[in-house]
Amino acid sequence: QVQLLQSGADVKKPGSSVKVSCKASGGTFDTFSNYAFTWVRQAPGQGLEWMGEIVPVFGTTKYAPELQGRVTITADESTSTAYMELSSLRSDDTAVYYCARGGDLSYWGQGTLLTVTA
Amino acid sequence: IQLTQSPSSLSASVGDRVTITCRASEGINSFLAWFQQHPGKPPKLLIYAASILHTGVPARFSGSGSGTDFTLTIRSLEPEDFATYYCQQFNDYPRTFGGGTKVEI
Repeated sequence: QVQLLQSGADVKKPGSSVKVSCKASGGTFDTFSNYAFTWVRQAPGQGLEWMGEIVPVFGTTKYAPELQGRVTITADESTSTAYMELSSLRSDDTAVYYCARGGDLSYWGQGTLLTVTA
Repeated sequence: IQLTQSPSSLSASVGDRVTITCRASEGINSFLAWFQQHPGKPPKLLIYAASILHTGVPARFSGSGSGTDFTLTIRSLEPEDFATYYCQQFNDYPRTFGGGTKVEI
Protein backbone atom coordinates (compact mmCIF):
# COMPACT_ATOMS: atom_id res chain seq x y z
CA GLN A 1 0.00 0.00 0.00
CA VAL A 2 1.53 3.29 -1.14
CA GLN A 3 1.66 5.96 1.55
CA LEU A 4 2.60 9.61 1.24
CA LEU A 5 3.63 11.19 4.53
CA GLN A 6 3.78 14.97 4.59
CA SER A 7 5.55 17.27 7.02
CA GLY A 8 3.63 18.89 9.83
CA ALA A 9 1.66 22.10 10.07
CA ASP A 10 3.55 25.35 9.94
CA VAL A 11 3.06 29.04 10.71
CA LYS A 12 4.96 31.62 8.68
CA LYS A 13 5.17 35.37 8.46
CA PRO A 14 4.34 37.27 5.28
CA GLY A 15 7.35 37.55 3.01
CA SER A 16 9.02 34.39 4.29
CA SER A 17 9.31 30.97 2.63
CA VAL A 18 8.14 27.48 3.46
CA LYS A 19 9.26 24.04 2.33
CA VAL A 20 6.83 21.13 2.65
CA SER A 21 7.96 17.54 2.25
CA CYS A 22 6.18 14.43 1.01
CA LYS A 23 7.81 11.04 1.61
CA ALA A 24 6.62 8.03 -0.37
CA SER A 25 6.71 4.51 1.00
CA GLY A 26 5.09 1.12 0.57
CA GLY A 27 3.79 -0.44 -2.64
CA THR A 28 5.83 -2.68 -4.89
CA PHE A 29 9.09 -2.03 -6.71
CA ASP A 30 9.44 1.64 -7.58
CA THR A 31 7.14 3.83 -5.54
CA PHE A 32 8.77 7.10 -6.46
CA SER A 33 11.07 7.89 -9.36
CA ASN A 34 8.89 7.02 -12.33
CA TYR A 35 5.74 8.74 -11.08
CA ALA A 36 4.69 12.35 -11.29
CA PHE A 37 4.31 14.03 -7.91
CA THR A 38 1.81 16.83 -7.87
CA TRP A 39 1.13 19.56 -5.32
CA VAL A 40 -2.41 20.80 -4.80
CA ARG A 41 -3.58 23.37 -2.29
CA GLN A 42 -6.92 24.21 -0.77
CA ALA A 43 -7.62 27.50 0.94
CA PRO A 44 -10.11 27.43 3.85
CA GLY A 45 -13.58 26.68 2.53
CA GLN A 46 -12.39 26.79 -1.07
CA GLY A 47 -11.81 24.36 -3.91
CA LEU A 48 -8.70 22.58 -5.12
CA GLU A 49 -5.88 24.46 -6.84
CA TRP A 50 -3.23 22.68 -8.90
CA MET A 51 0.19 24.12 -8.12
CA GLY A 52 2.62 22.03 -10.14
CA GLU A 53 4.31 18.69 -10.54
CA ILE A 54 7.65 16.93 -10.91
CA VAL A 55 8.68 13.63 -12.46
CA PRO A 56 11.69 12.64 -10.37
CA VAL A 57 13.39 10.33 -12.88
CA PHE A 58 13.55 13.17 -15.42
CA GLY A 59 13.63 16.08 -13.00
CA THR A 60 11.09 17.85 -15.18
CA THR A 61 8.69 20.30 -13.59
CA LYS A 62 5.51 22.12 -14.53
CA TYR A 63 4.02 25.01 -12.55
CA ALA A 64 0.77 26.93 -12.40
CA PRO A 65 1.31 30.26 -14.18
CA GLU A 66 -0.04 32.27 -11.25
CA LEU A 67 2.58 30.72 -8.96
CA GLN A 68 5.49 30.73 -11.40
CA GLY A 69 8.45 32.40 -9.80
CA ARG A 70 7.28 31.71 -6.26
CA VAL A 71 6.96 27.93 -6.24
CA THR A 72 9.73 25.36 -6.65
CA ILE A 73 9.12 21.62 -6.65
CA THR A 74 12.03 19.26 -6.18
CA ALA A 75 12.57 15.59 -5.49
CA ASP A 76 15.20 13.50 -3.74
CA GLU A 77 15.23 10.00 -5.21
CA SER A 78 17.57 8.70 -2.50
CA THR A 79 14.91 9.32 0.14
CA SER A 80 11.79 9.03 -2.06
CA THR A 81 10.79 12.51 -0.96
CA ALA A 82 9.21 15.32 -2.95
CA TYR A 83 9.36 18.92 -1.79
CA MET A 84 7.37 22.06 -2.47
CA GLU A 85 8.88 25.41 -1.60
CA LEU A 86 6.78 28.55 -1.72
CA SER A 87 8.41 31.95 -1.29
CA SER A 88 7.25 35.53 -0.70
CA LEU A 89 4.39 34.19 1.35
CA ARG A 90 1.17 36.18 1.61
CA SER A 91 -1.87 35.78 3.81
CA ASP A 92 -3.80 34.25 0.91
CA ASP A 93 -1.27 31.40 0.78
CA THR A 94 -2.90 30.12 3.96
CA ALA A 95 -4.18 26.71 2.92
CA VAL A 96 -3.85 22.97 3.27
CA TYR A 97 -1.17 21.71 0.89
CA TYR A 98 -1.42 18.20 -0.50
CA CYS A 99 0.98 16.05 -2.48
CA ALA A 100 -0.36 13.34 -4.75
CA ARG A 101 1.28 10.62 -6.80
CA GLY A 102 0.75 9.64 -10.39
CA GLY A 103 -0.74 11.30 -13.41
CA ASP A 104 -4.14 10.27 -12.10
CA LEU A 105 -3.47 11.49 -8.53
CA SER A 106 -4.38 8.06 -7.22
CA TYR A 107 -2.55 8.45 -3.91
CA TRP A 108 -2.63 11.52 -1.66
CA GLY A 109 -0.75 12.70 1.37
CA GLN A 110 -2.61 13.65 4.51
CA GLY A 111 -2.22 17.38 3.91
CA THR A 112 -0.12 20.09 5.57
CA LEU A 113 -1.76 23.20 6.99
CA LEU A 114 0.20 26.35 6.31
CA THR A 115 -0.88 29.50 8.10
CA VAL A 116 0.60 32.80 6.97
CA THR A 117 0.09 35.49 9.57
CA ALA A 118 1.91 38.50 10.93
CA ILE B 1 -8.52 25.14 -19.69
CA GLN B 2 -11.44 26.11 -17.46
CA LEU B 3 -13.72 23.47 -15.99
CA THR B 4 -17.23 24.47 -14.98
CA GLN B 5 -19.11 22.13 -12.70
CA SER B 6 -22.83 22.20 -12.17
CA PRO B 7 -24.61 22.38 -9.93
CA SER B 8 -22.34 23.91 -7.30
CA SER B 9 -24.41 22.19 -4.65
CA LEU B 10 -27.39 19.89 -4.45
CA SER B 11 -29.60 18.32 -1.83
CA ALA B 12 -30.47 14.67 -2.13
CA SER B 13 -31.60 11.69 -0.10
CA VAL B 14 -30.19 8.23 0.43
CA GLY B 15 -31.18 6.10 -2.55
CA ASP B 16 -31.41 9.03 -4.99
CA ARG B 17 -29.71 9.04 -8.37
CA VAL B 18 -27.39 12.04 -8.69
CA THR B 19 -25.73 13.48 -11.78
CA ILE B 20 -22.97 16.11 -11.74
CA THR B 21 -21.70 17.72 -14.91
CA CYS B 22 -18.32 19.15 -15.81
CA ARG B 23 -17.84 21.27 -18.92
CA ALA B 24 -14.41 22.12 -20.30
CA SER B 25 -13.70 25.39 -22.09
CA GLU B 26 -12.03 23.43 -24.87
CA GLY B 27 -11.81 19.80 -25.89
CA ILE B 28 -9.85 17.55 -23.55
CA ASN B 29 -10.49 14.19 -25.22
CA SER B 30 -11.17 11.82 -22.30
CA PHE B 31 -8.47 13.18 -20.03
CA LEU B 32 -10.75 13.86 -17.09
CA ALA B 33 -10.84 12.53 -13.54
CA TRP B 34 -13.36 12.78 -10.73
CA PHE B 35 -12.50 13.08 -7.04
CA GLN B 36 -14.52 12.84 -3.85
CA GLN B 37 -13.59 14.83 -0.77
CA HIS B 38 -14.99 14.66 2.74
CA PRO B 39 -14.37 17.58 5.13
CA GLY B 40 -10.89 17.58 6.60
CA LYS B 41 -9.73 14.73 4.37
CA PRO B 42 -7.65 14.61 1.19
CA PRO B 43 -9.49 14.01 -2.08
CA LYS B 44 -9.95 10.44 -3.28
CA LEU B 45 -9.78 9.39 -6.92
CA LEU B 46 -13.05 7.92 -8.14
CA ILE B 47 -12.80 7.85 -11.92
CA TYR B 48 -10.03 8.53 -14.42
CA ALA B 49 -9.96 8.74 -18.20
CA ALA B 50 -13.56 9.97 -17.95
CA SER B 51 -15.12 6.56 -17.36
CA ILE B 52 -12.69 4.13 -15.73
CA LEU B 53 -13.52 3.30 -12.14
CA HIS B 54 -10.51 3.46 -9.83
CA THR B 55 -9.69 0.31 -7.87
CA GLY B 56 -11.98 -0.20 -4.91
CA VAL B 57 -14.55 2.42 -5.92
CA PRO B 58 -18.13 1.12 -5.67
CA ALA B 59 -19.90 0.34 -8.92
CA ARG B 60 -22.70 2.82 -8.12
CA PHE B 61 -20.28 5.51 -9.36
CA SER B 62 -19.92 5.96 -13.10
CA GLY B 63 -18.48 8.55 -15.45
CA SER B 64 -19.09 9.39 -19.06
CA GLY B 65 -18.29 11.95 -21.70
CA SER B 66 -15.51 13.12 -23.97
CA GLY B 67 -14.45 16.34 -25.60
CA THR B 68 -16.00 19.11 -23.53
CA ASP B 69 -18.93 17.56 -21.65
CA PHE B 70 -18.65 15.03 -18.86
CA THR B 71 -20.88 13.57 -16.19
CA LEU B 72 -20.43 11.79 -12.89
CA THR B 73 -23.41 9.69 -11.86
CA ILE B 74 -24.07 8.11 -8.50
CA ARG B 75 -26.70 5.48 -9.13
CA SER B 76 -28.10 5.20 -5.59
CA LEU B 77 -26.73 7.51 -2.92
CA GLU B 78 -25.32 5.95 0.21
CA PRO B 79 -24.76 7.92 3.45
CA GLU B 80 -20.99 8.00 2.86
CA ASP B 81 -21.48 9.65 -0.54
CA PHE B 82 -22.41 12.99 0.98
CA ALA B 83 -19.25 14.92 0.12
CA THR B 84 -17.83 17.41 -2.37
CA TYR B 85 -16.93 16.22 -5.85
CA TYR B 86 -14.33 17.74 -8.18
CA CYS B 87 -13.42 17.13 -11.79
CA GLN B 88 -9.87 17.67 -13.08
CA GLN B 89 -8.49 17.73 -16.60
CA PHE B 90 -5.25 16.00 -17.56
CA ASN B 91 -5.20 17.03 -21.21
CA ASP B 92 -2.93 20.02 -20.88
CA TYR B 93 -0.87 22.13 -18.52
CA PRO B 94 -1.65 23.74 -16.23
CA ARG B 95 -3.88 21.01 -14.90
CA THR B 96 -7.12 22.50 -13.63
CA PHE B 97 -9.93 21.54 -11.30
CA GLY B 98 -13.59 22.34 -11.47
CA GLY B 99 -15.08 24.46 -8.72
CA GLY B 100 -16.65 21.50 -6.93
CA THR B 101 -20.15 20.18 -6.29
CA LYS B 102 -21.28 19.71 -2.72
CA VAL B 103 -23.77 16.89 -2.27
CA GLU B 104 -25.77 17.48 0.88
CA ILE B 105 -28.49 15.61 2.65
